[in-house]
Formats: sequence, C-alpha cells, structure tokens
Amino acid sequence: AQKITQTQPGMFVQEKEAVTLDCTYDTSDQSYGLFWYKQPSSGEMIFLIYQGSYDEQNATEGRYSLNFQKARKSANLVISASQLGDSAMYFCAMREEDNYDMRFGAGTRLTVKP
Amino acid sequence: NAGVTQTPKFQVLKTGQSMTLQCAQDMNHEYMSWYRQDPGMGLRLIHYSVGAGITDQGEVPNGYNVSRSTTEDFPLRLLSAAPSQTSVYFCASSYSVAGAMGTDTQYFGPGTRLTVL
Repeated sequence: AQKITQTQPGMFVQEKEAVTLDCTYDTSDQSYGLFWYKQPSSGEMIFLIYQGSYDEQNATEGRYSLNFQKARKSANLVISASQLGDSAMYFCAMREEDNYDMRFGAGTRLTVKP
Repeated sequence: NAGVTQTPKFQVLKTGQSMTLQCAQDMNHEYMSWYRQDPGMGLRLIHYSVGAGITDQGEVPNGYNVSRSTTEDFPLRLLSAAPSQTSVYFCASSYSVAGAMGTDTQYFGPGTRLTVL
C-alpha cells in the first residue's frame, strides 16, 4: 500500500532564504505521480508542483522545485527566496497509476520569519 | 468558470442526524473525489467517481454514501452522523482518471467544516 511520510511537523525559515520540506514515499509501483499542495490559514488546497516517476528532470514551478530522488523514494519540496505569504501547511501526496486513491502526508507547517 | 464549489461552508449536526454535502464543478472533469481532513493526519480519501454513474470507495468510506448522476455534481451523504465524523471535508476534481501520468492535477473546493455534537 502506498504511504507518504513528512517527518517535519513544523519548520521555520527567515524571509528571503531557501527552505526544504521533506517527503518520503513507499510504493511498489513503477509508475506514479508525486504532488505538493499548499494550505494557507484560509483553508483552501492549492496545487504547487507535480513530478512523474518517469520524469528525468526535477520539476520546477517558479520559486518551487521538487528534489526527486527515485532510488531513495524521496520528493522534497524546495522553496527559494521565501516570502511571508509562504507561511502555510504543505502537503506531499502520491497517486499510483491506475489507482485512484491519492494518499497525503500529515503535512509540514512552514513559518516564514521577517 | 467557478471551479469546484462546495456547500455549506459550515455545518453543525447532532448525533444521528443525516445530511448531504454538496459538490459541483464546471470544468467537465471526469474524476471527482471526497476527502476528509483531520488534525495531524492530512487528507484521506472517502469516495471517488471516475464518471457519471460510477463510484467507488476510498480509504475511509464507512458512514458515507455518494452518487454521481451527472458529470457536474458529486454529493456526499452522511447517513447517521457521529462525533467521529467531525472534520473538514474537501471535494476535488480532475480532468482525467489517469492522474499519475502527465500533469493532471486535482482542483479542490474550499471545504466544509462539519461539527457533530
């Protein structure tokens, strides 16, 4: 069964610095997708970035990049040049091909300090 | 284009009451799903649908029913509410059912905060 682990309940980062949020996953499938979502205090879930298991390059979306290490089964989110508006909960998620059940990690609460 | 909409935003029920959480999307998405979010546990899939007339169970389906009579709507029914169903409920949709390949992603509604007393 697929499983997502986020080991950092909370993280602090100084404004304008970079931060890495950890995510490891467990699956026996070869084909799967990895996702990161942001949940601000207002509660909505905002899609940030996607990485496919067969993608050879790490995904990037603006200030977000995904450090994908397939052999280690890790998919860490890197946020560069942190902004105060980045303060939120961040969730890592995975869905296996042909499996409609997307599994989420418990989340990491990021606080950006001015 | 309203995206994914959910009603109500807040609801308080007494144990044993029933109710329906509404979810609609106007993006012609095939795949729709319901999640619940509890503190410290992330989101867990309750039920999902891969098209009109087709539904299936997710990780935590007990106590909930769904139906999908149209592409746009995917209501979630609580048959007899229990305090353990106090949670925030999210509806989500995506264009295709093959979500793992490509950049298909799920779009989430704003959530419904449910309290069962």
